[in-house]
Amino acid sequence: AQSVTQLGSHVSVSEGALVLLRCNYSSSVPPYLFWYVQYPNQGLQLLLKYTSAATLVKGINGFEAEFKKSETSFHLTKPSAHMSDAAEYFCAVTRGGSQGNLIFGKGTKLSVKP
Amino acid sequence: DGGITQSPKYLFRKEGQNVTLSCEQNLNHDAMYWYRQDPGQGLRLIYYSQIVNDFQKGDIAEGYSVSREKKESFPLTVTSAQKNPTAFYLCASSLGTTSDWSTDTQYFGPGTRLTVL
Repeated sequence: AQSVTQLGSHVSVSEGALVLLRCNYSSSVPPYLFWYVQYPNQGLQLLLKYTSAATLVKGINGFEAEFKKSETSFHLTKPSAHMSDAAEYFCAVTRGGSQGNLIFGKGTKLSVKP
Repeated sequence: DGGITQSPKYLFRKEGQNVTLSCEQNLNHDAMYWYRQDPGQGLRLIYYSQIVNDFQKGDIAEGYSVSREKKESFPLTVTSAQKNPTAFYLCASSLGTTSDWSTDTQYFGPGTRLTVL
């Protein structure tokens, strides 16, 4: 069965510092992986997705993620944090089979200190 | 502008009442979904629909019901049988028509926050 684990429910960085949000997956089939961002009291917005093309995926707002099969990881990074990056981030994997829907991690809340 | 709308944004319900949350999309998507979000729990799938007049239970369907009479609409009813309905509810849609819809991006509405008094 597919699952996603996000390490760290809260991450705090200083403005201008590297952002690293960790996501590990478990999947019995080749996974499709997604990162979404959620600002307070809003819906989710897609940052990027991996669908078995390039292993390094670039997304919006300067974020990128690298698919590492050997480590079963899909960590999200951004070289320099901005105050506007403060939000909650969710990693997700498709359920597989014919269902085509997503299994979400529990989320990581990112705080950015001035 | 194309997108997903959910109404109302905030909803208050007395215990024992059924309430219906609205979800409408004008993206011409076939697939629609309902998720429940609780603090620290991520999103959990309630129901999903791949096509009009058809829907399937997700992981936490007990106490909820849905209908899909029109392509653009997927309302969710929270019944009195749902023991702990206070949560943030998110509706999403995706194309759903590709041969492998596992790769489809899901687009989310702004959510409805339901509080039981």
